[in-house]
Amino acid sequence: DQQVKQNSPSLSVQEGRISILNCDYTNSMFDYFLWYKKYPAEGPTFLISISSIKDKNEDGRFTVFLNKSAKHLSLHIVPSQPGDSAVYFCAASAREYGNKLVFGAGTILRVKS
Amino acid sequence: DGGITQSPKYLFRKEGQNVTLSCEQNLNHDAMYWYRQDPGQGLRLIYYSQIVNDFQKGDIAEGYSVSREKKESFPLTVTSAQKNPTAFYLCASSIPPGGQGYNQPQHFGDGTRLSIL
Repeated sequence: DQQVKQNSPSLSVQEGRISILNCDYTNSMFDYFLWYKKYPAEGPTFLISISSIKDKNEDGRFTVFLNKSAKHLSLHIVPSQPGDSAVYFCAASAREYGNKLVFGAGTILRVKS
Repeated sequence: DGGITQSPKYLFRKEGQNVTLSCEQNLNHDAMYWYRQDPGQGLRLIYYSQIVNDFQKGDIAEGYSVSREKKESFPLTVTSAQKNPTAFYLCASSIPPGGQGYNQPQHFGDGTRLSIL
């Protein structure tokens, strides 16, 4: 049972435009959500997170939006740059489960110059 | 520089052989984790440890074992009982959740790719 889903395996965006990556979850106990970026043969790098008490968190070009009623979060990258091309993983955790993360399958982002 | 070091980067295992993957961190983190990544899938939790001398099974612990004798080190052994060990293995660490349930992101090493000969 996939508790965290990234339904788009890949996304292609023109440089300078907005990239929107989506993530859905099914477990209403999740209260902390994270986005990681991963290059091939490297470990994931933490990008940005959001607690369930917020609906938006911004860090430079990256903004994460959380819609608790829809159990949906999204990552916006504006403007997109070729160096943003990577696999993006959404992850979630619940206080009751300690700090164990549940990951989505990832979305490959390609930013074309 | 503080970080997480995984070694080796590539590892080959013969049938019936146990192999141990190393994970060392100098971030002074109490919690450490092992994940496995297969092509087209997200990371799946194998084992985790919130404190020295204590660890718990994750979602896919069968065929694996760990130890946590030192805060800095959390080695993973892939035993011969693991029938499909070929994967990319990732180690992570974090500050454990705080008393108010304040969550902390996990930080990852660069992984070990294990293949079967």
